[in-house]
Amino acid sequence: GAVVSQHPSWVICKSGTSVKIECRSLDFQATTMFWYRQFPKQSLMLMATSNEGSKATYEQGVEKDKFLINHASLTLSTLTVTSAHPEDSSFYICSAPLAGGGYEQYFGPGTRLTVT
Amino acid sequence: QKEVEQNSGPLSVPEGAIASLNCTYSDRGSQSFFWYRQYSGKSPELIMSIYSNGDKEDGRFTAQLNKASQYVSLLIRDSQPSDSATYLCAVNFRDFGNEKLTFGTGTRLTIIP
Repeated sequence: GAVVSQHPSWVICKSGTSVKIECRSLDFQATTMFWYRQFPKQSLMLMATSNEGSKATYEQGVEKDKFLINHASLTLSTLTVTSAHPEDSSFYICSAPLAGGGYEQYFGPGTRLTVT
Repeated sequence: QKEVEQNSGPLSVPEGAIASLNCTYSDRGSQSFFWYRQYSGKSPELIMSIYSNGDKEDGRFTAQLNKASQYVSLLIRDSQPSDSATYLCAVNFRDFGNEKLTFGTGTRLTIIP
């Protein structure tokens, strides 16, 4: 099957610092990856689309200078939360679609970020 | 605005019975439809995909699609306590060349032993 990993699985950081989250496709190549955020008892909200070799595209209302995305290779995308604040505390999840498929997205296990 | 609507529940079903989950969507151009299961504190897991009108069965799960009514459903037969989770309906749409998913808010399902 399609396996996506994320690292770290959880992180606690102080307000004002930056945190980097990695997303890797382990057994397939992903030219596109997606980053979602999920607050407690809410559904997934798409933050941005990460494209290998080009700039990420951000959803309306998501600050691109705060959430830096780099798609360094066909198996790795990173999300950096810069100058984190307590309101950025959330569950961040990446996903990747299988090429040639019916647009199924396979999700990583998620990263729980707590900003103190 | 692409919208996906689900009854948030909670939906309680006795063990061994059939659980029925429903979803409607707004974009008539959508072609791909998915059901994800999400356990508390975990990320979503794909359990069913459906692309054409009618039924698609996979083990105890059956997905049903009616594009004319813009309606997708998921039936879980012989419900087990391990099926207790939030079920997310997701619908694809194309945006600037990328196939993206819009998720419903999810239906929380509880299987009662």
